[in-house]
Amino acid sequence: DVKVTQSSRYLVKRTGEKVFLECVQDMDHENMFWYRQDPGLGLRLIYFSYDVKMKEKGDIPEGYSVSREKKERFSLILESASTNQTSMYLCASGSMNTEAFFGQGTRLTVV
Amino acid sequence: QKEVEQNSGPLSVPEGAIASLNCTYSDRGSQSFFWYRQYSGKSPELIMFIYSNGDKEDGRFTAQLNKASQYVSLLIRDSQPSDSATYLCAVTGDYKLSFGAGTTVTVRA
Repeated sequence: DVKVTQSSRYLVKRTGEKVFLECVQDMDHENMFWYRQDPGLGLRLIYFSYDVKMKEKGDIPEGYSVSREKKERFSLILESASTNQTSMYLCASGSMNTEAFFGQGTRLTVV
Repeated sequence: QKEVEQNSGPLSVPEGAIASLNCTYSDRGSQSFFWYRQYSGKSPELIMFIYSNGDKEDGRFTAQLNKASQYVSLLIRDSQPSDSATYLCAVTGDYKLSFGAGTTVTVRA
């Protein structure tokens, strides 16, 4: 069965902290994605990766970075968390131009 | 202009009626088109995909694609209360997978 696993379901962090969100997939997919979802705004793409060590900016990369050292793992890093980064974060993986499978989401609150 | 735009909704339909959802996209090089359903508090799940112009039917769902008009739609026939959810249109091109803001559908019993 398809599995995309995000490391935490809920996180509370303080302003200015460095935050790591981890995502692991077990389907040998080339592509991995990080989105954030806010009410009324849908899923906005932060970063994506189509190969190990490759990364591309999405539509809202400011304040974020990513790391993909292994094919199955894609990490999202908030260098210095701010309150406007409070959101639901969704990781997804997929093969070229095929459907993407989502993790369960991480609800991050920055206080 | 946003890459993927959906009719804003919300959309309320009576049980048994047809729900019609629309989506336009800006990148003519887009190659694959998807409809996802997202229940409140859950992650999106795929319900339909379409790659070629025309219609594709799967049970009560029909996806329609018109690449010349850069338009993709989803029809839900015989709507059921369990169809109440947010429907997200998604488009791929150059490895990137972009989503619209979603349309919330409520099916009234």
